[in-house]
Amino acid sequence: AQSVTQPDIHITVSEGASLELRCNYSYGATPYLFWYVQSPGQGLQLLLKYFSGDTLVQGIKGFEAEFKRSQSSFNLRKPSVHWSDAAEYFCAVGAWDDKIIFGKGTRLHILP
Amino acid sequence: DTGVSQNPRHKITKRGQNVTFRCDPISEHNRLYWYRQTLGQGPEFLTYFQNEAQLEKSRLLSDRFSAERPKGSFSTLEIQRTEQGDSAMYLCASSLVLGGEGAEAFFGQGTRLTVV
Repeated sequence: AQSVTQPDIHITVSEGASLELRCNYSYGATPYLFWYVQSPGQGLQLLLKYFSGDTLVQGIKGFEAEFKRSQSSFNLRKPSVHWSDAAEYFCAVGAWDDKIIFGKGTRLHILP
Repeated sequence: DTGVSQNPRHKITKRGQNVTFRCDPISEHNRLYWYRQTLGQGPEFLTYFQNEAQLEKSRLLSDRFSAERPKGSFSTLEIQRTEQGDSAMYLCASSLVLGGEGAEAFFGQGTRLTVV
């Protein structure tokens, strides 16, 4: 069965510091992987996606993620966070012939 | 294209009443998802459609929940005999899935249900 685990419920980083949000998945076949962001009172916005090919994918707002098949991971990174990055981040897994399911999310707090 | 549209945006209902939510996906998107999200949690999968066919319904979903997508365009989600535990944000998403290609889901703003 599909599952997505985001081990960190909350993460706090200082503005300008680097960021890594962890995501591990369980899926029987090669998955499609996604990161979405949700700001307070806002809808879910896609940050980036991995379908195939290059395992390092670039997204919007300076985010990137790396697919590591051997570790069943798809961690999200950003070299330097901005106060506007404070939000909730969701990792998701799916396939073209299957549903998309989400992790429980990681809430990112930014210290000035 | 105006994106995924959900109506109403907010619904307050008394326990035991039935409610129905509507989702209009992005034009020509053939896949449509319904999720439920409570505070501090990720979107919980409820059901999804490919065109008008309902492909899967969450095993955790009560029989009080039903969804339709009669013409493969808009979809409705009905909750019968609402309970306080049904209070949540109900999210709809759509995508265009072609053959074996991947596609991301685009989300609406959601319908917030409060059962009193």
